[in-house]
Amino acid sequence: AQTVTQSQPEMSVQEAETVTLSCTYDTSENNYYLFWYKQPPSRQMILVIRQEAYKQQNATENRFSVNFQKAAKSFSLKISDSQLGDTAMYFCAFMKHEAGEDKIIFGKGTRLHILP
Amino acid sequence: EPEVTQTPSHQVTQMGQEVILRCVPISNHLYFYWYRQILGQKVEFLVSFYNNEISEKSEIFDDQFSVERPDGSNFTLKIRSTKLEDSAMYFCASSYVTGDEQYFGPGTRLTVT
Repeated sequence: AQTVTQSQPEMSVQEAETVTLSCTYDTSENNYYLFWYKQPPSRQMILVIRQEAYKQQNATENRFSVNFQKAAKSFSLKISDSQLGDTAMYFCAFMKHEAGEDKIIFGKGTRLHILP
Repeated sequence: EPEVTQTPSHQVTQMGQEVILRCVPISNHLYFYWYRQILGQKVEFLVSFYNNEISEKSEIFDDQFSVERPDGSNFTLKIRSTKLEDSAMYFCASSYVTGDEQYFGPGTRLTVT
């Protein structure tokens, strides 16, 4: 069974700083997706970034980038130039790349506070 | 931009009552999902649905739960006899193909008293 572990329950950084959220996962699969979801106080689930395991290049989306280390089963999220609106719960998540096996498995989350 | 919608946003019900949570997936999507998040905990998969059948379900999804696509647009989750521990945020999601990005709705907060 796949598991996703986020070792930082809570983090705080000053606005404009860079912050890195950690995530490790365990799987015997070779083809899969990894995601970071943002959940602001409204509790909506918003996809921040996605990485396909077969791609060596790290995904980036504007201020958000990942450090994907497949051998180490590590998938960290870096937020550059952090903004107050980045304050939210961040979930790391895993999904097999297999038809009919597409449930998303979430980590427990990291609560991120951006301080003014 | 198309989005997944869910109604109601908040439902309060008494223990033992039946509830139906409604979702309207993105119109051309074929795969539908329900997830649950108990307050303060992680999001957990409940069930996936394709071609009018359950594709996969978790151990949480017991006989008290059922899903249905009653027409071409709605996707519902029914809890037959609610328990206090069913209190949670319920998220619907949809995707166009299996393995593709799942788009989440805003959630329905269910409170069982």
